[in-house]
Amino acid sequence: QQPVQSPQAVILREGEDAVINCSSSKALYSVHWYRQKHGEAPVFLMILLKGGEQKGHDKISASFNEKKQQSSLYLTASQLSYSGTYFCGTGLHTGTASKLTFGTGTRLQVTL
Amino acid sequence: SQTIHQWPATLVQPVGSPLSLECTVEGTSNPNLYWYRQAAGRGLQLLFYSVGIGQISSEVPQNLSASRPQDRQFILSSKKLLLSDSGFYLCAWSVTRGYYGYTFGSGTRLTVV
Repeated sequence: QQPVQSPQAVILREGEDAVINCSSSKALYSVHWYRQKHGEAPVFLMILLKGGEQKGHDKISASFNEKKQQSSLYLTASQLSYSGTYFCGTGLHTGTASKLTFGTGTRLQVTL
Repeated sequence: SQTIHQWPATLVQPVGSPLSLECTVEGTSNPNLYWYRQAAGRGLQLLFYSVGIGQISSEVPQNLSASRPQDRQFILSSKKLLLSDSGFYLCAWSVTRGYYGYTFGSGTRLTVV
């Protein structure tokens, strides 16, 4: 089952904040976040593991609530370079194959 | 450092023709390997994954197949392409143990005409 992301799209002005949510109908062990620029491959941002941890680097952080089967990505003081489509990827297994099911994507556009 | 190579970058193929996309990883051993497909404006759909040579798991029924003839080589094939096979194909790798992100190749944009 594909995780659902919200919002589907968001337009920000440079310096504004945004939150992207990822919800799954299944119990999760891990959540990945990726950003994809148009025509390019997705780039890994961060991974969160079961345990309700929160992670972040620079002005991008994320939280994972495994009880609610949800993760949120927080973009603070957005920059033009943040533009792209953000995908969450949910992992259900703890085995050696950490295969991910990717979400529906959130298109983020940062303007001047 | 690890790198992943995927080719070709773009491909235009007629319906019914065969397909072979190749992906190789350098700088690591025994990686997990994945093939994803992305339709225009859509999310990523897992097609195949492999945890070792000759070990392929298929996620969706389709006219595609995958093979892993060598530890760091992953090939996506089709005997006869369909129009619905058009899309952006991405190869990715991850480490076998521990929990780290995927590194994706640059992708192949396939158009079936």
